[in-house]
Amino acid sequence: AQSVTQLDSQVPVFEEAPVELRCNYSSSVSVYLFWYVQYPNQGLQLLLKYLSGSTLVKGINGFEAEFNKSQTSFHLRKPSVHISDTAEYFCAVSKYNTDKLIFGTGTRLQVFP
Amino acid sequence: DGGITQSPKYLFRKEGQNVTLSCEQNLNHDAMYWYRQDPGQGLRLIYYSQIVNDFQKGDIAEGYSVSREKKESFPLTVTSAQKNPTAFYLCASSPGTVFEQYFGPGTRLTVT
Repeated sequence: AQSVTQLDSQVPVFEEAPVELRCNYSSSVSVYLFWYVQYPNQGLQLLLKYLSGSTLVKGINGFEAEFNKSQTSFHLRKPSVHISDTAEYFCAVSKYNTDKLIFGTGTRLQVFP
Repeated sequence: DGGITQSPKYLFRKEGQNVTLSCEQNLNHDAMYWYRQDPGQGLRLIYYSQIVNDFQKGDIAEGYSVSREKKESFPLTVTSAQKNPTAFYLCASSPGTVFEQYFGPGTRLTVT
């Protein structure tokens, strides 16, 4: 069965510092990978996705992620965070040719001034 | 403006009562989903529907029911059989397989 592991439940960081949110998945077949962001009491918004092609994916708000098949990882990065990036971030995976997403438990990014 | 609407944003019910959460989309998407979100547990799939008049159970369907009579609408009923219904409920839609899901703003249900 597929699973998604987000290793850090909380990541505190100062404004303008770089950040990496880690995501590992387990699957023996091809997958599609997604990162979503959730602001308090709101729905989820897609940050970026990997379907195929270049392993470095750029998303909205200056975020990017790198797909590493050998390490089964899809870590999210931003070179310089803002206070407004404070939110919960979810990694998700779907198996090739299915429409069900499996979500990680989320990482709360807290940006301090 | 295209999107997904969920109403109400906050809902309070007494234990033993059934309650129906609304989800409407005007994105012309075929697939719709219901998730439950609890602190520290991520999102768990309750039900999903890929086409009108058809739906499948997700990972935690017990105590819930759905209908899909129209493409635009996918209401979720939380029945009295659901042992721990207090949670944040999210509805999503998708154009179909391979595509990302688009989420509504959510309904926070509190049962006392």
